[in-house]
Amino acid sequence: GESVGLHLPTLSVQEGDNSIINCAYSNSASDYFIWYKQESGKGPQFIIDIRSNMDKRQGQRVTVLLNKTVKHLSLQIAATQPGDSAVYFCAENIGGTSYGKLTFGQGTILTVHP
Amino acid sequence: NAGVTQTPKFQVLKTGQSMTLQCAQDMNHNSMYWYRQDPGMGLRLIYYSASEGTTDKGEVPNGYNVSRLNKREFSLRLESAAPSQTSVYFCASSGRQGKDTQYFGPGTRLTVL
Repeated sequence: GESVGLHLPTLSVQEGDNSIINCAYSNSASDYFIWYKQESGKGPQFIIDIRSNMDKRQGQRVTVLLNKTVKHLSLQIAATQPGDSAVYFCAENIGGTSYGKLTFGQGTILTVHP
Repeated sequence: NAGVTQTPKFQVLKTGQSMTLQCAQDMNHNSMYWYRQDPGMGLRLIYYSASEGTTDKGEVPNGYNVSRLNKREFSLRLESAAPSQTSVYFCASSGRQGKDTQYFGPGTRLTVL
């Protein structure tokens, strides 16, 4: 099947900067997207999700943008903190009978320098 | 609430040995999932259970079996372990298949020699 991929495998930022993590998807039938954060030795932690009928969704310090025209998803983290250092995964769900089965991208390593 | 718990945390097997990975959730979720994560890669779905009494194959089911023991517990069994099954295994659960966030356990790190 089609897979989710990431443009940048690593991202280094200074504390206080804004971070942008990108994700490209190729399955035009995908209708639900999720961002997860994974710290070393731990399971993925839900950050934010967005459905295909939206193009932007905001949470606490995080914003997800969806551009269906170019099949692109991004995660913006405002005022990045050292505790944000982790691997970030985007995941897509095709919906329909496949609803609930996620396809994950490879991940982006975010490093925040004090 | 403990959320999603997994046992064991670490395991080393020899080729051909069998073992069962245990997963339990205390969030009263209907759906449960098993994923594997290989170095430098995202998670891949092995099996899932949309509700108690049902199980379905995911992307990479070969070499595995599952049992949804009850609403709380979902186990993953390796009948004859192979080195290719060396990975970190994550269990997850959600309230409703596809409609609610999946919550993940801490993982089991398995090495097959």
